[in-house]
Amino acid sequence: QVRLQESGPGLVKPSQTLSLTCSVSGDSISTSHYYYSWIRQPAGKGLEWIGRMYASGITNYNPSLKSRLTISIDTSKNEFSLHLTSVTAADTAVYYCARDIEIIAGDYHSSYMDVWGKGTTVTVSS
Amino acid sequence: DIQMTQSPSSLSVSVGDRVTLTCQASQDIHKSLNWYQQQPGKAPKLLIYRVSNLETGVPSRFSGSGSGTDFAFTISSLQPEDIATYYCQQYDDLPLTFGGGTKVEMK
Repeated sequence: QVRLQESGPGLVKPSQTLSLTCSVSGDSISTSHYYYSWIRQPAGKGLEWIGRMYASGITNYNPSLKSRLTISIDTSKNEFSLHLTSVTAADTAVYYCARDIEIIAGDYHSSYMDVWGKGTTVTVSS
Repeated sequence: DIQMTQSPSSLSVSVGDRVTLTCQASQDIHKSLNWYQQQPGKAPKLLIYRVSNLETGVPSRFSGSGSGTDFAFTISSLQPEDIATYYCQQYDDLPLTFGGGTKVEMK
């Protein structure tokens, strides 16, 4: 059974860098054919997709965060990470990691996040 | 970005009710739509992918339909454990975007 677990500091000061790690168990990132995504959710609000990475190194970022965002994968540790620079209070949220399956075959296109971590709360405050 | 609009934003229901939620895309997304359930304090859970395909283990009382810009999600007979917020999500184009959610509450 595949499991994802987020980890990282719960408190980050404004202007600093938010760094989170998602550890994957039950599957090998390097041999899987999945994207791995980050999603966040401010308290009481909806879901915002942050970006994703394929094991091959392909990345897709939300343009609203692209200038501050880096997603990377460490296949030796079977984990992937998020780094968001110059954070403000607007970056306070629960951050989730998720496995993202994409299948494209002719006219058929399917893409969905089927396994999620439990989420980790990050507060940006001095 | 493709905007996803869900309605209603909330509704009050009773056990056994048939519940239908809608999701409208700001442009044609063909059949590129998923539905997630988020119970309070928990991570979202995939229920339906590509409009109408039930994820493994999801009860058959859940269903989805639609194409283009208009989509629907139905619970045929609401159970107490279905109290949650439901989100639609499009994947026709990047960035992936979610609707604002529909909160289903008990009367």
